[in-house]
Amino acid sequence: AQSVTQLGSHVSVSEGALVLLRCNYSSSVPPYLFWYVQYPNQGLQLLLKYTTGATLVKGINGFEAEFKKSETSFHLTKPSAHMSDAAEYFCAVSDTYSSASKIIFGSGTRLSIRP
Amino acid sequence: DSGVTQTPKHLITATGQRVTLRCSPRSGDLSVYWYQQSLDQGLQFLIQYYNGEERAKGNILERFSAQQFPDLHSELNLSSLELGDSALYFCASSVGIADTYEQYFGPGTRLTVT
Repeated sequence: AQSVTQLGSHVSVSEGALVLLRCNYSSSVPPYLFWYVQYPNQGLQLLLKYTTGATLVKGINGFEAEFKKSETSFHLTKPSAHMSDAAEYFCAVSDTYSSASKIIFGSGTRLSIRP
Repeated sequence: DSGVTQTPKHLITATGQRVTLRCSPRSGDLSVYWYQQSLDQGLQFLIQYYNGEERAKGNILERFSAQQFPDLHSELNLSSLELGDSALYFCASSVGIADTYEQYFGPGTRLTVT
């Protein structure tokens, strides 16, 4: 069975500071990993995804994440936070061997940006 | 705007009732997914359809059912509603069936059961 653990339900950083949102996964097969963002009163939007190949994945809005198999982690980072980054972020995992797309989401991390 | 539409935006109903949520996928997308987002359970995958056929099932209750029609729109039917069914229900769509295809989420339907 697959699972995702997001460390910290709420993270607060100052504008211009580094953003680090932590995600650890559990999977018995090679995983596909995703980060989604949810702005208030909106649906989820894909930030980035790891499937195969390069372990450092770049996404939209300046975010990136690194797949570390030895640590079973897929942490999301952004060098310099903007006020517009305030949102809920979800890490997710799915099964590469599945013929269907069943994505398991983490519990989410709410990112707040201090002026 | 993801291109996925969901109606209605808000729905308030009483316990024991039945409701239908509707989703229209992005043009060209064949897969439709349903998710439930609640404060206590987080975001949970319910069910996936691909070109009219059910392809994957998650934590979907027996009181819930879904279908995808020939025009590819999908409906999620929730019956014998309970207070705990109050949640945000999202529909998402993707081009294909595999996990590598990006899922595009609709704005959601907020269901309140009183």
